Amino acid sequence: ETGVTQTPRHLVMGMTNKKSLKCEQHLGHNAMYWYKQSAKKPLELMFVYSLEERVENNSVPSRFSPECPNSSHLFLHLHTLQPEDSALYLCASSRDPSAAGTDTQYFGPGTRLTVL
Amino acid sequence: QKEVEQNSGPLSVPEGAIASLNCTYSDRGSQSFFWYRQYSGKSPELIMFIYSNGDKEDGRFTAQLNKASQYVSLLIRDSQPSDSATYLCAVYNQGGKLIFGQGTELSVKP
Repeated sequence: ETGVTQTPRHLVMGMTNKKSLKCEQHLGHNAMYWYKQSAKKPLELMFVYSLEERVENNSVPSRFSPECPNSSHLFLHLHTLQPEDSALYLCASSRDPSAAGTDTQYFGPGTRLTVL
Repeated sequence: QKEVEQNSGPLSVPEGAIASLNCTYSDRGSQSFFWYRQYSGKSPELIMFIYSNGDKEDGRFTAQLNKASQYVSLLIRDSQPSDSATYLCAVYNQGGKLIFGQGTELSVKP
């Protein structure tokens, strides 16, 4: 266990559904991240929050909406997704993103999302 | 050119052999390098990181960094079937972003 938890672990949803992914970190870290991992592709950074402020948004479609109410919790709200959004969604946290180059990211177990 | 490149594999080695995983990166100003292991259906877990040129050893794992040639490698000595996984190379670029390679699949045969 890395100290980063994610729920649900598996999610199947239709294109018209609205659902949310939850991430919680118990490491006292200041930054949290959402990544998308599709088969045979590198991890794609979606969003970065540092001290609850969004600092990175990598041209992610608006059907993905992040929320970071405090430094321990991160959500990814999903609505009107497409089948190509099916992937493993990983949450990560790190201590100090301002220490670029030395800040280690720790991953949660991921949510396997299937969009029908 | 991809920022971080790895051979996708699969790399197959017999049990007890040395597995050598390689990674090249394009940003010459990159300063730190990470190796993650990802079992099928699981999330990436950190194996080790390296900042300085040369070798860094941790148990059966050795990371090697050559900044002049812009490559980083991971050696796994005495490979075990339990080492079978995908190994991800990740590099912090000059912009402070952690960029991942697509991973190399390693298969250790008993």
